[in-house]
Amino acid sequence: EVQLVESGGGLVKPGGSLRLSCAASGFTFSNYNMNWVRQAPGRGLEWVSSITSSSSSIYYADSVKGRFTISRDNAENSLYLQMNSLRVEDTAVYYCARDSTGGNWFDPWGQGTLVTVSS
Amino acid sequence: SYELTQPLSVSVALGQTARITCGGNNIGSKNVHWYQQKPGQAPVLVIYRDSNRPSGIPERFSGSNSGNTATLTISRAQAGDEADYYCQVWDSSTLVVFGGGTKLTVL
Repeated sequence: EVQLVESGGGLVKPGGSLRLSCAASGFTFSNYNMNWVRQAPGRGLEWVSSITSSSSSIYYADSVKGRFTISRDNAENSLYLQMNSLRVEDTAVYYCARDSTGGNWFDPWGQGTLVTVSS
Repeated sequence: SYELTQPLSVSVALGQTARITCGGNNIGSKNVHWYQQKPGQAPVLVIYRDSNRPSGIPERFSGSNSGNTATLTISRAQAGDEADYYCQVWDSSTLVVFGGGTKLTVL
């Protein structure tokens, strides 16, 4: 069974840092591009970042560029999101999602991890 | 930047057909994907590349895309179809774009 499990969320003060992890299983992780998508409370989905299978290309939404860093460890079947200089507006559930093969749709998604930025 | 517009809410009577639209400039030239999200759960892909259903998604779910509007159609709506639905495209300038989401209510 294909599975994605996020971890690392929690409460952090504005300006603080947090590192999210996504553990993948049930598929050949190194063959797939991966993504982070977030959802603020009561709001819609917002794409955050994408990384290709070999980490050769990385993309960020303008809202997180320069503050967030996506990375992956194919040997460990893991995806990461290092979040620095966190703002109140970064408060959201963060999902990792597997990219399709050449189609730019997301399937499946993890269950999400909640990040709360508050003083 | 590319934008997708969805109605905030759509209502449908039990057993009838619901149509959820996703508007965008010349969206018919793009591949549109649809996700269903129930309260407290992660999104689930229900349609990819305009009109394709992943395995496990009922045939009642279908999609179309032409001109400036893509449409997700849910036939014979059931109470279990109540959820938020999001459209999504890939755009060369904005990269991944989601619509604002539509709340489907089954009456």
